[in-house]
Amino acid sequence: EVQLVESGGGLVQPGGSLRLSCAASGFTFSNYAMNWVRQAPGKGPEWVSYISRTGESVYYADSVKGRFTISRDDAKNSLFLQMNSLRAEDTAVYYCARDSSGYVTGYWGQGTLVSVSS
Amino acid sequence: QSALTQPPSASGSPGQSVTISCTGTSNDVGGYGYVSWFQQHPGKVPKLIIYEVSKRPSGVPDRFSGSRSGNTASLTVSGLQAEDEADYYCSSYVGGNNPGYVFGTGTKVTVL
Repeated sequence: EVQLVESGGGLVQPGGSLRLSCAASGFTFSNYAMNWVRQAPGKGPEWVSYISRTGESVYYADSVKGRFTISRDDAKNSLFLQMNSLRAEDTAVYYCARDSSGYVTGYWGQGTLVSVSS
Repeated sequence: QSALTQPPSASGSPGQSVTISCTGTSNDVGGYGYVSWFQQHPGKVPKLIIYEVSKRPSGVPDRFSGSRSGNTASLTVSGLQAEDEADYYCSSYVGGNNPGYVFGTGTKVTVL
């Protein structure tokens, strides 16, 4: 069974940093590209970032480019999102989601809440 | 990476059909065969119900169908059931210099 478990969320002040993690199991992690998707309270999902199977290709939404960095550690079956210079508008539940060459699949974790507030 | 445009709401009586539109551009919906649809019930994680415009994942009833014409994709829910009341979001691959994905603005479907 595919399982994705996010962690690392919490309350942080504007301008602060957080590092999210996603532990994957139930599939060969190194065979899949991965995504981060977020959903602000009462809003729809917003794609945040993508990383290819090899990690060579990474892409970001314009709203986070230059502030967030996606990475992966295949030896630990883990996906990461380093978030710097956080803003109030980054407040959301952050999900990791498996990719399938052209679309975000239905394999999402349960999410981790990031709140940016003073 | 502007959000795809969906109507805020749609409704129908049990047994009826409802169709939701999703309008993008030639750089996303109209340019690639990678439109998907998610269903989300309150407090739950979005569930994939359509991928690659019209394909259904295993376990999704055939009451859900997808199509595309030009820059607009559509989701039709036939034979509406009470449990279909939820938020629905389309999503598309985005090409160009900064590839990625984009989601729609969302449609609340109410079963009357």
